[in-house]
Amino acid sequence: GENVEQHPSTLSVQEGDSAVIKCTYSDSASNYFPWYKQELGKRPQLIIDIRSNVGEKKDQRIAVTLNKTAKHFSLHITETQPEDSAVYFCAVGDAGNQFYFGTGTSLTVIP
Amino acid sequence: DTEVTQTPKHLVMGMTNKKSLKCEQHMGHRAMYWYKQKAKKPPELMFVYSYEKLSINESVPSRFSPECPNSSLLNLHLHALQPEDSALYLCASSQDLTTDTQYFGPGTRLTVL
Repeated sequence: GENVEQHPSTLSVQEGDSAVIKCTYSDSASNYFPWYKQELGKRPQLIIDIRSNVGEKKDQRIAVTLNKTAKHFSLHITETQPEDSAVYFCAVGDAGNQFYFGTGTSLTVIP
Repeated sequence: DTEVTQTPKHLVMGMTNKKSLKCEQHMGHRAMYWYKQKAKKPPELMFVYSYEKLSINESVPSRFSPECPNSSLLNLHLHALQPEDSALYLCASSQDLTTDTQYFGPGTRLTVL
């Protein structure tokens, strides 16, 4: 199956700074790459996703970039706010829509 | 409406009890999933249903028994669980099993005594 690595495991940034989280995967046939945000005690919420035919996607302060050749994709959050503090999971979807999750990044935005 | 609902929110059960978790979606999705999530860990896939048929069983012990009565409902029947089964159980749904967004329910926090 797919092997997904996510780094860093913890990240602290000052409010207003940018945060970057990176994931690598092993199966070149994987074609769907969502990012989920999970606040304490809450459900994972999709924040952005990208498909394999696109290199970059942006939604306001959040962007995702995909490098299919190198098999990695990254989440970029600009102008971070305290409410961005949460655990972020990347996932990799295969042709059968089975998701393989990264190990998570605990992001803390310091006011 | 991109909402998946789950009941109950919390469940405490003994090792000899039988209980069920319920999941419902009204988005017309034809794929539904059960995940188990331990604290500070990513969700782990347990079962996948596609068009009301079991598609994937990730070698889950038989004390967990899934059921899909119709396209909107997904149940997880629990029997003779162990304390290590205590976790957050998440249900998710997607349009189908082609590459597609999965929407998660709020989860059931299960404690096995």
